[in-house]
Amino acid sequence: EVQLVESGGGLVQPGGSLRLSCAASEFTFSNYWMSWVRQAPGKGLEWVANIKQDGSEKYYVDSVKGRFSISRDNAKKSVFLQMNSLRAEDTAVFYCARGDGLFDPWGQGTLVTVSS
Amino acid sequence: DIQMTQSPSSLSASVGDRVTITCRASQTISNYLNWYQHKPGKAPKLLIYAASSLQSGVPSRFSGSGSGTDFTLTISSLQPEDFATYYCQQSYSTPYTFGQGTKLEVK
Repeated sequence: EVQLVESGGGLVQPGGSLRLSCAASEFTFSNYWMSWVRQAPGKGLEWVANIKQDGSEKYYVDSVKGRFSISRDNAKKSVFLQMNSLRAEDTAVFYCARGDGLFDPWGQGTLVTVSS
Repeated sequence: DIQMTQSPSSLSASVGDRVTITCRASQTISNYLNWYQHKPGKAPKLLIYAASSLQSGVPSRFSGSGSGTDFTLTISSLQPEDFATYYCQQSYSTPYTFGQGTKLEVK
């Protein structure tokens, strides 16, 4: 069964950094775009970033540009989200998803809380 | 950015009911429209892609239609496991955007 497992979430102070990881299994990881999508408490879903199969193209929502960086390691079948200069409004469950624009499947998510 | 507007925001229905959720895009997106089901604490699940194509493994009581700016998701006969929040999402251009969600609750 295709599976995505996120890790790395936690409590961080405003201005701090966090690195999320997503480990993929049971599919040829290097053949797919990968994406991050988040959901703030009580809010809807928001696409955050995506990365092409070879890492040569990356796109971000405006609210995270210059602060977040997406990367991948095809040998380790993993995608990462480096989050710097975190703000309270970044508090959310972050989901890893396979695909570019069409997201399937999704991981279970990892919670990021930005608070002092 | 393309804005996606769903209606209604919430909906009360009973098992066996036929339910329709609508989604409108702020500009034409052809058929680049996907629908997801999301239950609390679970991973969102793709139901419909390209406006009307049923994802493998999704029950046939789910269907989608529309093109351009106006789209619908229909559940022909609600089952207990269908009570969840539903999101439309455009995959026409980045930033990919979602509707605000429709929470489907038990009447």
